Amino acid sequence: EAAVTQSPRNKVTVTGGNVTLSCRQTNSHNYMYWYRQDTGHGLRLIHYSYGAGNLQIGDVPDGYKATRTTQEDFFLLLELASPSQTSLYFCASSGDRASQNTLYFGAGTRLSVL
Amino acid sequence: GEQVEQRPPHLSVREGDSAVIICTYTDPNSYYFFWYKQEPGAGLQLLMKVFSSTEINEGQGFTVLLNKKDKQLSLNLTAAHPGDSAVYFCAVSAGNTGGLSGKLTFGEGTQVTVIS
Repeated sequence: EAAVTQSPRNKVTVTGGNVTLSCRQTNSHNYMYWYRQDTGHGLRLIHYSYGAGNLQIGDVPDGYKATRTTQEDFFLLLELASPSQTSLYFCASSGDRASQNTLYFGAGTRLSVL
Repeated sequence: GEQVEQRPPHLSVREGDSAVIICTYTDPNSYYFFWYKQEPGAGLQLLMKVFSSTEINEGQGFTVLLNKKDKQLSLNLTAAHPGDSAVYFCAVSAGNTGGLSGKLTFGEGTQVTVIS
């Protein structure tokens, strides 16, 4: 069973604050993804990576940075958090591109920006 | 680009009854279709992956139908039980034409509540 661990599970920050969300997968997957989940929008792709040091822009990247330090670790950075970034964030991994392969999700991080 | 509309957003069903969730997609080249289930406080888990070549797929307690003519994907929960209470998401992709990420487009989700 694929294991994807996100931390923290909950985070509260203020407008303009600096936040880092962490994700680790232990299944030697090449692809890792950051999604945000909002009511009425389903899941939207923020950034993704297909290996250490690689970063690709997703569909809603504005206000987010990401970094893939190792094959296991993928971080999402909000350097100047805004209330519009209040959301439920999911990290996921897959062995190959998401279009054909199962995504394995972490349990999510709920972020509130006040 | 691909758009996926999922209906209904909320669904209440009595235990033992059936329920249907429908996703309508726009890209006729869509080839891979997924249903994910999200239980409270957890991430999404794959329920079923279907390919364009197969129109009827059966799992434990559910059936997935693919209607390519109408570009609709449906999830039919048969004999619902309390463990089926969750949020269900469909996801659609055009396979290799989706670029490096293999773009996957999710529906908005359906909150299913099974009433005992």
